[in-house]
Amino acid sequence: AQSVTQLDSQVPVFEEAPVELRCNYSSSVSVYLFWYVQYPNQGLQLLLKYLSGSTLVKGINGFEAEFNKSQTSFHLRKPSVHISDTAEYFCALDTGRRALTFGSGTRLQVQP
Amino acid sequence: DTEVTQTPKHLVMGMTNKKSLKCEQHMGHRAMYWYKQKAKKPPELMFVYSYEKLSINESVPSRFSPECPNSSLLNLHLHALQPEDSALYLCASSQESGGVQPQHFGDGTRLSIL
Repeated sequence: AQSVTQLDSQVPVFEEAPVELRCNYSSSVSVYLFWYVQYPNQGLQLLLKYLSGSTLVKGINGFEAEFNKSQTSFHLRKPSVHISDTAEYFCALDTGRRALTFGSGTRLQVQP
Repeated sequence: DTEVTQTPKHLVMGMTNKKSLKCEQHMGHRAMYWYKQKAKKPPELMFVYSYEKLSINESVPSRFSPECPNSSLLNLHLHALQPEDSALYLCASSQESGGVQPQHFGDGTRLSIL
């Protein structure tokens, strides 16, 4: 069975500061990894994906993530956050079954 | 703007009612999904349809009945629900060819069971 762990339930950060949201996974087979963002009262929006190829993945809104197979991690980073980045962030994996397994989520709170 | 449209946005129903949630996409995706999301929790997969056929049922109670009448539409029929079924129900779709593809989500239907 596979699993996704997001150790930080909340991450407070000041506006224009850098941020890293951590994601670790466990799987006995190859994985495909995703980061989604959920704003209040909305669905999930895809930020970025790792399917194959380059381990450094760039997404929308200035976010990027690095797939590290040896450390089974897929941490999300942004060099300078904005107030509008305040939201819930979910890391998710698919083992090819077409079924996403989500982490518990990280609440990013950007303060002025 | 989301490309997966879900209706209604909000639904309140009693435990004896029958209602349906609807989902529509026009991206040509042949895989469609239903997820359930409780407050402050991640989404949990309920059903997966591939080429209009049910491919995954994550042991969902029979009071939830999915239907995929064509490649653009996905319904979730509800009957005799329980208060613990109150949640945000999310629909998603993805391409079905070329390996694993990202899923695109709608804004969900917020369901309250009285």
